[in-house]
Order: sequence, then structure tokens, then C-alpha cells
Amino acid sequence: AQTVTQSQPEMSVQEAETVTLSCTYDTSESDYYLFWYKQPPSRQMILVIRQEAYKQQNATENRFSVNFQKAAKSFSLKISDSQLGDAAMYFCAYRSLRIYGGSQGNLIFGKGTKLSVKP
Amino acid sequence: ETGVTQSPTHLIKTRGQQVTLRCSSQSGHNTVSWYQQALGQGPQFIFQYYREEENGRGNFPPRFSGLQFPNYSSELNVNALELDDSALYLCASTPIRGMDYGYTFGSGTRLTVV
Repeated sequence: AQTVTQSQPEMSVQEAETVTLSCTYDTSESDYYLFWYKQPPSRQMILVIRQEAYKQQNATENRFSVNFQKAAKSFSLKISDSQLGDAAMYFCAYRSLRIYGGSQGNLIFGKGTKLSVKP
Repeated sequence: ETGVTQSPTHLIKTRGQQVTLRCSSQSGHNTVSWYQQALGQGPQFIFQYYREEENGRGNFPPRFSGLQFPNYSSELNVNALELDDSALYLCASTPIRGMDYGYTFGSGTRLTVV
């Protein structure tokens, strides 16, 4: 079974600085998707960035970028020029591309990292 | 384009009771998934519905059941509530099964069992 591990329960960053959130995962599959989701106090999960495992190029979305190391099964999120609105819980998630018993692969989440941004 | 809407936002139930949570998927989305998020944890997959049938289930007992309706909205039912069922229940929809168009999540229903 696949697992996702986020080893940093809490992180803090100064406004305008850069912070990196860590994520490792375990799988025997070669094709999958990886995601970072943000969950602010409003509770809604918001997709930050995604990475297809077959793509070697790291995904980038404005101030958010990932460092995807497939062999090491590592998927870290870098937030540049941190803003107060970035403060939230961040979840790393895995999704298989295989279909088991007719179902689309569901998301497997880590336990999350709480990011605080200091003004 | 409307997002995913869940109701109610908060709910308090007594142990042993039954509860129904509702989800209206985003327009054009025909696949709905439900997740349970305990306090301080990441969401855990409960089940998924596609074309009104359950087509994937996580490690949850049969007292967790669901429905999907022709308009793709969905219900999550939990019977014989236990204290450990207290959690945030998230609904997520996606437009096409098997394709990565991303999941859209609702803001969840906070269930407290006393």
C-alpha cells in the first residue's frame, strides 16, 4: 500500500522569505500523480501544485515550485516570497494512475504541515 | 461555475444515532469522493461514486454508506455513530473518472459525536 509522510508538523517563515516543506512517499508503482494541497481555516482543500511522475521537469506555479526526486521518492514544496495569506495547513497527496476493481485511484494524504508566516 | 457545496456545515449528534451529510458536486463533475479528516490528521478516503454506483472504498466499516443521484449530488450516511466518528467530512468532485482533471473540494461538514 502507498504511504505519504510529512515529517514537519509545523514550520514558520518570515514574510517575503522562502520556505521548503518536505514530503516523502512509498510506492511500488511507476506512474502516479503527486499533489500539494493547502487547507486554510476555511477548511476547503485548495490545490496548490501537482506533478506527474513521468515528467522529469519540476512543476512550478507562480511562487510555488516542487523538487521531485523520483528515485528518492521525495516531493518537497518551495514557497518563495512568502505572504501572510500562505499561512495554512499544507498536505502532500499521492494518487495512483492504476484502476483497482473499477475505481479511479483515490488521494492518499500525509498528516500535514502547519505553516505560519510572521509579518 | 459553482464549486462543491456541503451541508450542513456543523452538526452535533449523540452516540448511536444516524447522520446524513450532503454534497452538491461542481457543475459538470460526475465523480464524487468522500473523505474523513480527524483532528490533526490528513483526510482519509471513505468511498467514491461514479454513475450512481460505489466504485472504490477505503478502510471504513459498512455503517458508512452513500448514494449518488442522477444530478451527481451525493449523500454520506453513517449509522450507529461512535465517538471516533467525530471529524471533518470532506466531499470532492472531479469531472471525468480516471482522468486527472483535479479534485475540487468542499468546505466540509464538522461532525461532533457526544
